[in-house]
Amino acid sequence: SQQGEEDPQALSIQEGENATMNCSYKTSINNLQWYRQNSGRGLVHLILIRSNEREKHSGRLRVTLDTSKKSSSLLITASRAADTASYFCATPPWTGANSKLTFGKGITLSVRP
Amino acid sequence: SQTIHQWPATLVQPVGSPLSLECTVEGTSNPNLYWYRQAAGRGLQLLFYSVGIGQISSEVPQNLSASRPQDRQFILSSKKLLLSDSGFYLCAWSGSRQGNTIYFGEGSWLTVV
Repeated sequence: SQQGEEDPQALSIQEGENATMNCSYKTSINNLQWYRQNSGRGLVHLILIRSNEREKHSGRLRVTLDTSKKSSSLLITASRAADTASYFCATPPWTGANSKLTFGKGITLSVRP
Repeated sequence: SQTIHQWPATLVQPVGSPLSLECTVEGTSNPNLYWYRQAAGRGLQLLFYSVGIGQISSEVPQNLSASRPQDRQFILSSKKLLLSDSGFYLCAWSGSRQGNTIYFGEGSWLTVV
């Protein structure tokens, strides 16, 4: 079964606007990761936030983690048409084992030029 | 730097034919290796993972098998393909230095006709 569940399933915004995507999970985690997938391509790792962190930045990306609510959000500021892609959150088990990194179904983001 | 290569990129195979998808990783040693499948519009399903040569763990019962004949080589196989085997197959690796981050290949599109 999938641990991470992204919300919304699809998001369409205008270029320049901010995009906010959410992820909820069910069990305790060691860290939470966000990945991006361009259509028909492999996934690319964007950012990892550890369970003892509340916020992390990388360029135009801002990730927050609320372990009390078991949720995370990914904010893309000043979106560009090139940000159009699917975004996935992923959670490894508490033990930190790589073997069962579980992905959500993803959010399809469309940025209109 | 580490790289991952996966081939073929696209494949159209008749029902009942065999399958072999190959994946190699360069620039690292003793990586954890993974095969994921992504059905259209759905999330990633972990099929197999390997922590070393000859060590394969299967996540779901299926018509597929995996082998790791060398440290950085991972092969996904089937003796007789089913229509339901169609999908996007992704090879991936991770290493202890990178924590739980997983790095994906570019994927292989398999269409069983």
